[in-house]
Amino acid sequence: DGGITQSPKYLFRKEGQNVTLSCEQNLNHDAMYWYRQDPGQGLRLIYYSQIVNDFQKGDIAEGYSVSREKKESFPLTVTSAQKNPTAFYLCASSIRHENYGYTFGSGTRLTVV
Amino acid sequence: DAKTTQPPSMDCAEGRAANLPCNHSTISGNEYVYWYRQIHSQGPQYIIHGLKNNETNEMASLIITEDRKSSTLILPHATLRDTAVYYCIVGYNFNKFYFGSGTKLNVKP
Repeated sequence: DGGITQSPKYLFRKEGQNVTLSCEQNLNHDAMYWYRQDPGQGLRLIYYSQIVNDFQKGDIAEGYSVSREKKESFPLTVTSAQKNPTAFYLCASSIRHENYGYTFGSGTRLTVV
Repeated sequence: DAKTTQPPSMDCAEGRAANLPCNHSTISGNEYVYWYRQIHSQGPQYIIHGLKNNETNEMASLIITEDRKSSTLILPHATLRDTAVYYCIVGYNFNKFYFGSGTKLNVKP
C-alpha cells in the first residue's frame, strides 16, 4: 500500500544531541512537509520542499535542518540549537496537479531528557 | 497564521448529525476549503475538500456558503469513533497549509 512512513514512532534523546527523524513516501508525491505539534495545539510548519534538492523554511525553522536528496525522502534533523525539541512531529506530502491536499504520516513523538 | 476560525469544542450525541462550522472570511481566489481530523496522537486524516459547490463523500458533507466566507462540515450520523479534533484549512494545493487549533468534537453515548 502507498503511504508515508515515519520512523521511529517514539524517540528519546539526551539534551544537546542532534537527532534525525525519518520520513519516506511511496506515493510519488512531489512536495513534502514537516510540522510540529505541541500538546493541545495545532500544527506549525517547520520546513517544506516542493522539488528535489530544494526546500523552504516554514514558520518555526530555527533549530531544525532538512534535506531532499530523493523525491521519496525528507529527513528532519532536530539540532541542539532547538530550545524546546520535545514535541510530536508530523510529515506530510502532496502532489502537484491534484487538489486532495496533504497525506500525513503517523508521526514521531520526540522526548528530550 | 491560520486563516480560519473554529469553535474550540463541540458536543454531539451518538447517532445524531454533527455540524462543525468554520469561518474563512479572507478566503481568496481559487483557495480550496479542506477538512482534516486528528485522533489523539495520530496523523491528521483527510476528510473532504471543496471550492465552491457543496461536496459529499462516504465520510461527510461539506457545505460552503455562496460568498465562500464560511463552511460547515457535516457528519451525518456521528459515532464514538468520530471523537477527534477537526481542522478547517483554506489554501491552494501544493502549498503551505496553516493549521489552527481546530474544533474538539466530543461524541457522547
